[in-house]
Amino acid sequence: GQQLNQSPQSMFIQEGEDVSMNCTSSSIFNTWLWYKQDPGEGPVLLIALYKAGELTSNGRLTAQFGITRKDSFLNISASIPSDVGIYFCAGEETSGSRLTFGEGTQLTVNP
Amino acid sequence: GAGVSQSPSNKVTEKGKDVELRCDPISGHTALYWYRQSLGQGLEFLIYFQGNSAPDKSGLPSDRFSAERTGGSVSTLTIQRTQQEDSAVYLCASSLVTGFYSPLHFGNGTRLTVT
Repeated sequence: GQQLNQSPQSMFIQEGEDVSMNCTSSSIFNTWLWYKQDPGEGPVLLIALYKAGELTSNGRLTAQFGITRKDSFLNISASIPSDVGIYFCAGEETSGSRLTFGEGTQLTVNP
Repeated sequence: GAGVSQSPSNKVTEKGKDVELRCDPISGHTALYWYRQSLGQGLEFLIYFQGNSAPDKSGLPSDRFSAERTGGSVSTLTIQRTQQEDSAVYLCASSLVTGFYSPLHFGNGTRLTVT
């Protein structure tokens, strides 16, 4: 089946720094999503992307749906300690098909 | 409104015992997923229910795993003859599928420990 390669696997940064992570797939996706998981909780949706080339922001978060429809990136600007967690990308090949998740990026922010 | 509810939040069981994990999705959501997450790992797809369609069971790791969804609402994931490698957090998620993607809403998971 389809696979998502997410990188980096982990990041250790200082508070105030910008962060970038990305996902690539072996097949074309119609939808890209980015989730964040805090310890002991389920993932929560951050940003959803529905069109190739789409660039969407949500506060300090910015995500883009790649033109080839096989990749997406998430940027976090001016990181703060509460940004700590695991970030997952997810993609949907066709409408109504099940999501495929990336392996996650563990983000640590040092105050 | 209420989110996805999972119970129990924690379960410790002895190797060889059967366990049942419960998921109450958001009311009206037609799609329901089960995922497994081992410590520090990503989300492993297990099974997907969509309305009245036959479930997508392609992610179930062995025939010891089964799931059902009664009345299009509550779902139960059953693991028979548990093994230590079954220890993980089991996450349930639901979405309202209307022909346009609707985001998944996750529960907080059931942490299963097999001793």
